[in-house]
Amino acid sequence: QKEVEQNSGPLSVPEGAIASLNCTYSDRVSQSFFWYRQYSGKSPELIMSIYSNGDKEDGRFTAQLNKASQYVSLLIRDSQPSDSATYLCAVSPGGGNKLTFGTGTQLKVEL
Amino acid sequence: NAGVTQTPKFRILKIGQSMTLQCAQDMNHNYMYWYRQDPGMGLKLIYYSVGAGITDKGEVPNGYNVSRSTTEDFPLRLELAAPSQTSVYFCASSRTGSGSPLHFGNGTRLTVT
Repeated sequence: QKEVEQNSGPLSVPEGAIASLNCTYSDRVSQSFFWYRQYSGKSPELIMSIYSNGDKEDGRFTAQLNKASQYVSLLIRDSQPSDSATYLCAVSPGGGNKLTFGTGTQLKVEL
Repeated sequence: NAGVTQTPKFRILKIGQSMTLQCAQDMNHNYMYWYRQDPGMGLKLIYYSVGAGITDKGEVPNGYNVSRSTTEDFPLRLELAAPSQTSVYFCASSRTGSGSPLHFGNGTRLTVT
């Protein structure tokens, strides 16, 4: 089992719809969870961080964390073509200094 | 602030050549990381450092070496380049380790032929 798993996609949504991206992780004691956005040929940039169970909202983005079920998700409301990118889920193990990344989900927002 | 600066942006190496990828940050971060990203894959950790003089191996350290003589700089050395090292390399830093977000450089695209 991979440490951090994501569906590679592509996930296609129409403009204005809600995009839902999911990530599961294997380490039960993981403490910190991040979503990064990566445009083609560019470096990853932080979208959201979440550390406790529940929802965290920032503008059109909502991160959801469920530690009991070991999943974290990212919702993008009112999706725009500029949201088309690969979204990387990253998880830090309990007590560690390293982040483990999933392989990313490619999102395509279509006009 | 420049953030994390990587040089060069592109490089082509012949098999067996050596090179150093440079990484510098001006945010006074203690933690620095080197990742590689192959097409369609996530980021794989090569080496990391929790402070000057301290380095440790990540998932894929073979064929690479690092040093951390100052807080600002974290160079990655490839001694005998192999085609399997063709990849995009990202340097990153963070303030307090895995609990804080990573700040990435713009990457170095390396081709070994």
